[in-house]
Amino acid sequence: EVQLVESGGGLVKAGGSLRLSCAASGFRLSSYRMSWVRQAPGKGLQWVAFISSSSDYIYYADSVRGRFTVSRDNAKSTLYLQMNSLRAEDTALYYCARAPYGENYLDSWGQGTLVSVSS
Amino acid sequence: YVVTQPPSVSVAPGRAARITCGGNNIGRKNVHWYQQKPGQAPVLLVYDDSGRPSGIPERVSGSNSGNTATLTINGVEAGDEADYYCQVWDEISDQVVFGGGTKLTVL
Repeated sequence: EVQLVESGGGLVKAGGSLRLSCAASGFRLSSYRMSWVRQAPGKGLQWVAFISSSSDYIYYADSVRGRFTVSRDNAKSTLYLQMNSLRAEDTALYYCARAPYGENYLDSWGQGTLVSVSS
Repeated sequence: YVVTQPPSVSVAPGRAARITCGGNNIGRKNVHWYQQKPGQAPVLLVYDDSGRPSGIPERVSGSNSGNTATLTINGVEAGDEADYYCQVWDEISDQVVFGGGTKLTVL
C-alpha cells in the first residue's frame, strides 16, 4: 500500500525555521517526482515546491523561493522541506504528494502536517 | 498562468454536475482534477484531461478544449459533496498551478 506520512510541523514564531519530512512506503521513491502542497485554513490548495526523481530539477512557488528548500534522500525514502524565515502567511497544512515519472499530476497524497506561524 | 473556477456549483441528486476550469488556451495543456472532502487529503479524480485512475467510477469524466476544461460528474450523489480543484503545469514559469477550487453542493 502506498503511504506518505508527513511530520515536523508545529508552532513557530515569525522568522523561525522548521524542517518537514515525508516518509514514503509501499513504492520506490526514486521512481517518482515529488511536490509539497499547502492549504491555509479554510483556503484552497497552493503548490509550494517540486523536486524531480533524482533531484536534477527543483522548482518553487514565487511566495517561498529563497526561503524554502526541498530535498530528498531516496535511500531513506524520505522527502524534506526546510522552511526558513517563516511568516504568518505560511501557516497551513502541508501535504507531500507524488507524481509519476514524466508527469505532473499528483496521484497520491499524505495526510499533511500543520505549520502555525505566530506573528 | 491563471486558472479560474467558479466558487460553487449546486446540483440535484441524480443530475449531472459540470465544473469548469478556465485559462488562456488551456486546451493546449494537460488538466488534472482533484476531489477533497472535509478533513481529508485531496484525491486524484482525472489526469491528462480525461484519464481516470483506477477506482474512480465511470460517471466521472473530463474534457478540455479551447479556453475551458470541464469536470463532469453524472448521477450526482450526496457523497459527491466536496471541493474540486483543477491543476495544470505552467511551462513558462515551471510551476504547478491550482485553480481556486469549486464547492459542489448536492441539493
